[in-house]
Amino acid sequence: DAGITQSPRHKVTETGTPVTLRCHQTENHRYMYWYRQDPGHGLRLIHYSYGVKDTDKGEVSDGYSVSRSKTEDFLLTLESATSSQTSVYFCAISEDLDTEAFFGQGTRLTVV
Amino acid sequence: AQSVTQPDIHITVSEGASLELRCNYSYGATPYLFWYVQSPGQGLQLLLKYFSGDTLVQGIKGFEAEFKRSQSSFNLRKPSVHWSDAAEYFCAVGPGGGADGLTFGKGTHLIIQP
Repeated sequence: DAGITQSPRHKVTETGTPVTLRCHQTENHRYMYWYRQDPGHGLRLIHYSYGVKDTDKGEVSDGYSVSRSKTEDFLLTLESATSSQTSVYFCAISEDLDTEAFFGQGTRLTVV
Repeated sequence: AQSVTQPDIHITVSEGASLELRCNYSYGATPYLFWYVQSPGQGLQLLLKYFSGDTLVQGIKGFEAEFKRSQSSFNLRKPSVHWSDAAEYFCAVGPGGGADGLTFGKGTHLIIQP
């Protein structure tokens, strides 16, 4: 299995509070991604990174920000959590644009 | 824009029977195609991938898939399912880089009957 660790695995937070999810990889892959999974929607890309300090938006980026200060770490921040951000969040990594992606175990976030 | 359609939300198969999960895609160029499996509470595990070459690809756990360009399909098959195959299966199209990432279908939930 690819070395991807997501933390925390579960979190409950209140509306309006900031939340940061962490993805840590040991594979030294260049590309890292944050997806969210919701029933009936499959997985949708939030943000991705193509190198240290190089990030860009995906399909559903509103309300989210990311940072990548080291190759191995990719942080997803919800500046002010809303109930619509209740979801399961997956981090993924890939060596290059045209290679397969490997996924972490996911973080279940509940915003109450 | 690229898209993936998995027509079957749920499929029920008896243990030992054969399985085929359907996947149709829309993509402007030659696609990279993937099947992932997700067990409850787990992440996604790559079953197999198609990049180029032989259109019949073999994956892990006895799964295979066939790329048919004329039908824009990439169906997943297994000759004999086991109870442990019960899971959610996702088809995805790429390449997975850039702002599009991988585009996933909505998944097919596989139920195995004893």
